Amino acid sequence: ETGVTQSPTHLIKTRGQQVTLRCSSQSGHNTVSWYQQALGQGPQFIFQYYREEENGRGNFPPRFSGLQFPNYSSELNVNALELDDSALYLCASSLVGGNNEKLFFGSGTQLSVL
Amino acid sequence: SQQGEEDPQALSIQEGENATMNCSYKTSINNLQWYRQNSGRGLVHLILIRSNEREKHSGRLRVTLDTSKKSSSLLITASRAADTASYFCATDSNQGGKLIFGQGTELSVKP
Repeated sequence: ETGVTQSPTHLIKTRGQQVTLRCSSQSGHNTVSWYQQALGQGPQFIFQYYREEENGRGNFPPRFSGLQFPNYSSELNVNALELDDSALYLCASSLVGGNNEKLFFGSGTQLSVL
Repeated sequence: SQQGEEDPQALSIQEGENATMNCSYKTSINNLQWYRQNSGRGLVHLILIRSNEREKHSGRLRVTLDTSKKSSSLLITASRAADTASYFCATDSNQGGKLIFGQGTELSVKP
């Protein structure tokens, strides 16, 4: 176990709806990253937060947004869901601000968009 | 695609044999990491090799890095059924927190 927890584990939504996924970082970690993993593919970087500020963003549209809270927990929000948003969403925390030398992943949220 | 490539996509071996997985990437890097994933769940960090290193060992794992060829390999020696999982390489190019993952190698170790 990595100490990174994500909720919910599974979620079913319909096209056009909005969803919020949550992540609690490992104790002492101040950086959180979110990844999307489609079936049979490697994870793709959505964005990273460091000390409550966005530290980098991948090639995802603005309807993907995030927050990091003072306790370093985080949320991923997706608006106007599309069928292609169906995927495993992974949160990862790391120890040093902006340093990607070792990510600790949660078990993910499996999102299905119908 | 921005992702690196891994080969083979799938590998099936017997317990006790060695497993070798290869990874190629496209840009200059600070480090390259290998992760393991069981059954579509969270990834677990296995080993990191920096751009100025050529080889690294950790238990039954050996990683090599050739920056001139932009490639890396992961060797698992004396494999066990519990090693059955998907293995991903990931590169850090110091681009705003972004790790670029390969598409993975699905390893099956038969008892």
